[in-house]
Amino acid sequence: AQSVTQPDIHITVSEGASLELRCNYSYGATPYLFWYVQSPGQGLQLLLKYFSGDTLVQGIKGFEAEFKRSQSSFNLRKPSVHWSDAAEYFCAVDLKAAGNKLTFGGGTRVLVKP
Amino acid sequence: EAQVTQNPRYLITVTGKKLTVTCSQNMNHEYMSWYRQDPGLGLRQIYYSMNVEVTDKGDVPEGYKVSRKEKRNFPLILESPSPNQTSLYFCASSLKVTYEQYFGPGTRLTVT
Repeated sequence: AQSVTQPDIHITVSEGASLELRCNYSYGATPYLFWYVQSPGQGLQLLLKYFSGDTLVQGIKGFEAEFKRSQSSFNLRKPSVHWSDAAEYFCAVDLKAAGNKLTFGGGTRVLVKP
Repeated sequence: EAQVTQNPRYLITVTGKKLTVTCSQNMNHEYMSWYRQDPGLGLRQIYYSMNVEVTDKGDVPEGYKVSRKEKRNFPLILESPSPNQTSLYFCASSLKVTYEQYFGPGTRLTVT
């Protein structure tokens, strides 16, 4: 069965430092890939998505992600973290099958130290 | 403003008392879906609908019902809630099947 793994449950980073969140998926073909952010008490907001083409995608809030087919990974990065980036981040895949089912990873909670 | 709304936002109920969580979107989206979020498990799909009168099960449909009588609304029904349905529920919609999904603010349900 397909799955999405986010190996890091929690990450603590200092404000101004770089951030990288890992995401791996298991599926034979290349799915559609997404990163969502959930701020405390809020719904999910789409940060960026990858469907095809350039494997480095830019998103909102200064985030980017790189798709690596050989590693079945779609890691999220930000060069300089702001305190407002403290949130939970979810990687999700859409297998392009009928039903548009998003399969989510377990999430990574990011804490930002002053 | 384009949005997905859910009501109620918070609900505490008792085992066996039927309840409905409403979901409405104003973006004329064809596709709608319900998810539940539990710690460490991310979000899991309960049911989805590809258009009016077209619904299907997701990963965790047991104990839930849905209906899609109008394009904008997609209510989630728990006919006999149990404590294991205590969770945070999200409704989402997208223009078409493979487009990005927009999420509602969530409904926190507690079943005692």
